[in-house]
Formats: sequence, C-alpha cells, structure tokens
Amino acid sequence: EAGVVQSPRYKIIEKKQPVAFWCNPISGHNTLYWYRQNLGQGPELLIRYENEEAVDDSQLPKDRFSAERLKGVDSTLKIQPAELGDSAVYLCASSFSGPGELFFGEGSRLTVL
Amino acid sequence: QKEVEQNSGPLSVPEGAIASLNCTYSDRGSQSFFWYRQYSGKSPELIMSIYSNGDKEDGRFTAQLNKASQYVSLLIRDSQPSDSATYLCAVNILASGAGSYQLTFGKGTKLSVIP
Repeated sequence: EAGVVQSPRYKIIEKKQPVAFWCNPISGHNTLYWYRQNLGQGPELLIRYENEEAVDDSQLPKDRFSAERLKGVDSTLKIQPAELGDSAVYLCASSFSGPGELFFGEGSRLTVL
Repeated sequence: QKEVEQNSGPLSVPEGAIASLNCTYSDRGSQSFFWYRQYSGKSPELIMSIYSNGDKEDGRFTAQLNKASQYVSLLIRDSQPSDSATYLCAVNILASGAGSYQLTFGKGTKLSVIP
C-alpha cells in the first residue's frame, strides 16, 4: 500500500515569493492534516480536513497561507508571500478518521532566503 | 503553559538498558495518547497508542498512562542503537479556538543509545 506522498521534497525561495506544496494521502483515508515542524520542535497543526471540508484551520495564518483539498483526496498548501520565518518542514499526514493515528509523508523542507 | 511537555534531553542510555521517556499534558479531558518516533531528517512514525489508564505492551515498548496525574510515559526495554531517535508525545487536546480536539505534539525527547 502506498504511503502519503508529498512534493516537492525541498524548496528554496526568496522572501516574498509564492510557494505551493502538494499531498496525496493514503487511499481511503478521509482525514488529511498539514503540520509545520520547526527545527527542534514538535509538529504544529495548520489545518485538518475531513473529506473536502476544512474542519480545523484555527492555527493557519490566513493572511498568507491557504489550502484546499480537491474532491476530498489530494491537497495543496500555498504560502504567498513567503517570509523568512516560514522556513520549516511542512508535513502532510492522513488518518482513517478523526485526530488519531496519523501516517506522515516525508515532508517538504522549505528554506526562505 | 505548554499543553504537552517533554524533557528535550538528550537522554543517553547504554545498549541493553531501559530507556524511560516522560510526558505531561494540560487537558484533563484528553482521552487518547500517542508516541511517535522520529529519526533525524525523517518524518514521525507512530509506535504506540494508549487510551486507558495502566500499561500497554508491544514488544520492547511499554506505554503507561495515568490520567489522574496527567502523565504518560514510554519505556523501551533492551535498548538498541537503532532506537536512537527523537520520541514525540502526542495528545488529543481540546483546542478552544477550534472547538474540537487537535492532536498536539510535545517538543520531543532525543534518545541516544550508546553501544
């Protein structure tokens, strides 16, 4: 069974540029999460989807971050414009249902110069 | 106050010893608790889940939960160098801003098993 797939694995951009990350969850997993992990910290939730509905986006910086989950499967996380403080690993995860046992993708490491 | 607290370590144990990792959490209403392992440069992977007070064993790993003390721990018996990683405690915590439970992670404890 294929795991959670993310792309790109690495991205280096200059500040104020836009960037987008893509995630394909495990087949049949209804819940999809985007987390951000800074160096030496645990992952922090940005947004959680149940099917195509964003049910928890309370920690998403909505002035510059946006996300969508097309047809309840793939998801895209966008940052526009990027700031230096956005440098981090962006992790996508999925689970069968609810905020429980998560399966993480390999992550997308963003460096903003 | 951090919602999920862990000692960041590093925790060093000799090969074959028992490694004990601890975690406290703030929400008395939390009902589900998880331990994830994260190797350097890799993403977290789930190794244990626990929902009831007491102990849960899986191979060399034992998770312990005490809801009255708001405390969860992970014991690794017969520690191996391959166990060297950061161990993240995760708890479902009611997020006031969201009105729903969020899986909230601690900072993680870095474990080094010395051959």
